[in-house]
Amino acid sequence: GAVVSQHPSRVICKSGTSVKIECRSLDFQATTMFWYRQFPKQSLMLMATSNEGSKATYEQGVEKDKFLINHASLTLSTLTVTSAHPEDSSFYICSARDIDSSLETQYFGPGTRLLVL
Amino acid sequence: LAKITQPISMDSYEGQEVNITCSHNNIATNDYITWYQQFPSQGPRFIIQGYKTKVTNEVASLFIPADRKSSTLSLPRVSLSDTAVYYCLVGAYGGSQGNLIFGKGTKLSVKP
Repeated sequence: GAVVSQHPSRVICKSGTSVKIECRSLDFQATTMFWYRQFPKQSLMLMATSNEGSKATYEQGVEKDKFLINHASLTLSTLTVTSAHPEDSSFYICSARDIDSSLETQYFGPGTRLLVL
Repeated sequence: LAKITQPISMDSYEGQEVNITCSHNNIATNDYITWYQQFPSQGPRFIIQGYKTKVTNEVASLFIPADRKSSTLSLPRVSLSDTAVYYCLVGAYGGSQGNLIFGKGTKLSVKP
């Protein structure tokens, strides 16, 4: 149980284009999903918290107009990197919190590698 | 917010027990301690979680002293496939957002 998927797993795009990443909880419902960014050899950095049916909460320093988050259902959240630039190249990972779990934890997706040329 | 400190790297040999300690001096009353394992280009995988004392599951044990200012992940009899980065996460989920702090990770290298 507690499986989270992401799509696509890898994307290469030109500078200035927008990229959408999907995060799905496959076998549980998630009222809360998290989006992280991870640069090489670094820890995970929380970008935003996504709540079903409401606006996402962004961490300090993360541009909400550049990283659009939509959490339309209990099993799907999307992150859109708008007008991507080479400095946005990174490993983006989502996670989801199981509302029915007794554990205070989150389950991570496999990640999406974004390369902006 | 809890400041998280864990060793940058550790080396071990197959069959040995490995203990990785995480320091979190400013841990809050509601915070849990969670450990994750991450392989290159993959998302972190949940290992174990605890609040206080000792927790054990099929893959690891987690020791938390009474003051909760540190925690130790114990991996019994490691194998080569346990080579990975191990993250300590401290925080709680409250309402729509929690104060979740990841350590910088400990790179464990298991040698034959």
